[in-house]
Amino acid sequence: GAVVSQHPSRVICKSGTSVKIECRSLDFQATTMFWYRQFPKQSLMLMATSNEGSKATYEQGVEKDKFLINHASLTLSTLTVTSAHPEDSSFYICSAIQGLAGATGETQYFGPGTRLLVL
Amino acid sequence: GNSVTQMEGPVTLSEEAFLTINCTYTATGYPSLFWYVQYPGEGLQLLLKATKADDKGSNKGFEATYRKETTSFHLEKGSVQVSDSAVYFCALSDRALGAGSYQLTFGKGTKLSVIP
Repeated sequence: GAVVSQHPSRVICKSGTSVKIECRSLDFQATTMFWYRQFPKQSLMLMATSNEGSKATYEQGVEKDKFLINHASLTLSTLTVTSAHPEDSSFYICSAIQGLAGATGETQYFGPGTRLLVL
Repeated sequence: GNSVTQMEGPVTLSEEAFLTINCTYTATGYPSLFWYVQYPGEGLQLLLKATKADDKGSNKGFEATYRKETTSFHLEKGSVQVSDSAVYFCALSDRALGAGSYQLTFGKGTKLSVIP
């Protein structure tokens, strides 16, 4: 149980185009999902927290208009990188919390990641 | 604020060697502690967790004990295998922060390479 998927796993796009990444909880309802960015050989940087049916909360320094997050249902959140540039190339990982926020353990289950390359 | 410090790698061990990856933390409340593992080219997988002081998390031969007195959560395994080669992340989730209480704070990760 507690499986999170991401699609696509890899994407290459041209500079100036937009890319959408999907994050799905396959066997549970996720009231909260998170989006992270990971640079090579570095830790995960939290970009935003996404709650179903409400606006995402972005971390300081993350551009809301650049990284659009939509959490339309309890099993799906999407991250759209708008007008992508080479510096947006990175590994994007989502995670989801099973059940209500604040529950014991608050374990996050991670997707396999999406590698984005902007040419 | 919250922070997690783990030993810098890379760590290279021979198969069947004993593994310790140190992790210490600072937190304002009562955190849950986690170890995640990331295999090459993949996302993170939960390895083990502990939610209160003196709890021991264990999985796949790995274990870690939540030590509040030393604010530590060191990862250990008695006999590593080549298949354990991966990056290991220590993390905490602090329940004391209200609306943001379930956010994870990660350490920088420790790369483990196990050679035959």
